[in-house]
Amino acid sequence: DAKTTQPTSMDCAEGRAANLPCNHSTISGNEYVYWYRQIHSQGPQYIIHGLKNNETNEMASLIITEDRKSSTLILPHATLRDTAVYYCIVRVGDYGQNFVFGPGTRLSVLP
Amino acid sequence: EAQVTQNPRYLITVTGKKLTVTCSQNMNHEYMSWYRQDPGLGLRQIYYSMNVEVTDKGDVPEGYKVSRKEKRNFPLILESPSPNQTSLYFCASSRKDFAGVHHEQYFGPGTRLTVT
Repeated sequence: DAKTTQPTSMDCAEGRAANLPCNHSTISGNEYVYWYRQIHSQGPQYIIHGLKNNETNEMASLIITEDRKSSTLILPHATLRDTAVYYCIVRVGDYGQNFVFGPGTRLSVLP
Repeated sequence: EAQVTQNPRYLITVTGKKLTVTCSQNMNHEYMSWYRQDPGLGLRQIYYSMNVEVTDKGDVPEGYKVSRKEKRNFPLILESPSPNQTSLYFCASSRKDFAGVHHEQYFGPGTRLTVT
């Protein structure tokens, strides 16, 4: 699976958009980009995933660059409850699901 | 409510005393998995199961056993716990999309285990 690089931490003002970057320059054509988050020590929560196209759901938007070497997770209106560690994972969407969670980005939403 | 449940949530035990952490999901998912989370090491997969009676090792299986006799349950067994198994444990399950690919994992609330 391709390696990902994320900033260690970020701050965002409440109500503003939070843009979390992820670099995955060695991504291959059949690898998906996944985002999960973990609030405090709760179980990780799935946010969104994508292959080539930008994706949007009720939680967030995922913007993948045309060369697929980087992506950005966008929380359009961050709230205090979005304070969490956000994990960007790149892997093949096959039948085995060994997700490797790296250190992630610690997002602090400030009032 | 669709969920993954784990029991117990907290457990303090002594070295060598066999224990079982239960995991159950009510979403009829075929795939289930166990992870452990340690400071500075992220989440690491212990075992996973693609279906009933089908299990396989993850990245850190030593010292653990699992079984999958029914679709909804995937217990984690520590036959002889040691202090280096002190950790936060998560169970997860996932569903297949229309193409048969697993994308979205649902995680349980976690079990904090301390082995003294």
